[in-house]
Amino acid sequence: DARVTQTPRHKVTEMGQEVTMRCQPILGHNTVFWYRQTMMQGLELLAYFRNRAPLDDSGMPKDRFSAEMPDATLATLKIQPSEPRDSAVYFCASGFGRAYNEQFFGPGTRLTVL
Amino acid sequence: KQEVTQIPAALSVPEGENLVLNCSFTDSAIYNLQWFRQDPGKGLTSLLLIQSSQREQTSGRLNASLDKSSGRSTLYIAASQPGDSATYLCAVSGGYNKLIFGAGTRLAVHP
Repeated sequence: DARVTQTPRHKVTEMGQEVTMRCQPILGHNTVFWYRQTMMQGLELLAYFRNRAPLDDSGMPKDRFSAEMPDATLATLKIQPSEPRDSAVYFCASGFGRAYNEQFFGPGTRLTVL
Repeated sequence: KQEVTQIPAALSVPEGENLVLNCSFTDSAIYNLQWFRQDPGKGLTSLLLIQSSQREQTSGRLNASLDKSSGRSTLYIAASQPGDSATYLCAVSGGYNKLIFGAGTRLAVHP
């Protein structure tokens, strides 16, 4: 049963600390997306990759957020330094590289920054 | 800029009712539309995917329609059950398959 996995599932940290979230896309998928969900803003796209290359990260605060794909089986989202307003659920999704294809979501990482 | 609106924001119905959730979008240039279900504290489960060339998709008690020209989609749930209680999210796909989400409809089905 192929699925997107994310670690950690929950993270509590203090303001100013570095946070790294990891995502393993479904094997064979070549497109990876990072979304953030908050009560106020709902679900927002932060960044996405195709064939490991970043295509658009305009949704991310550039000064503190960074996203990478070290290899085809791992995507990372890093926040440094973290702030309380970063508290949210971060979802990773993967799919095939065509616009007509379905996206499959991971279970999310719930981040709390104190 | 694409905007997605879902009406109603919340819905409470007795078990057994047929119900309709609405989704509208401002830019008809979409590739597809997906309906998701989200349980409290959980991730998103894809329910139905409608390609821009299609008019509807069905899965069990769920039926989703798409009218691209008018920028509307509806999710029809037949014979609702308490287990259907969740938030239902509509999302449209634009360039590079980026999903733009609505705020969701929070559904409660009571016995």
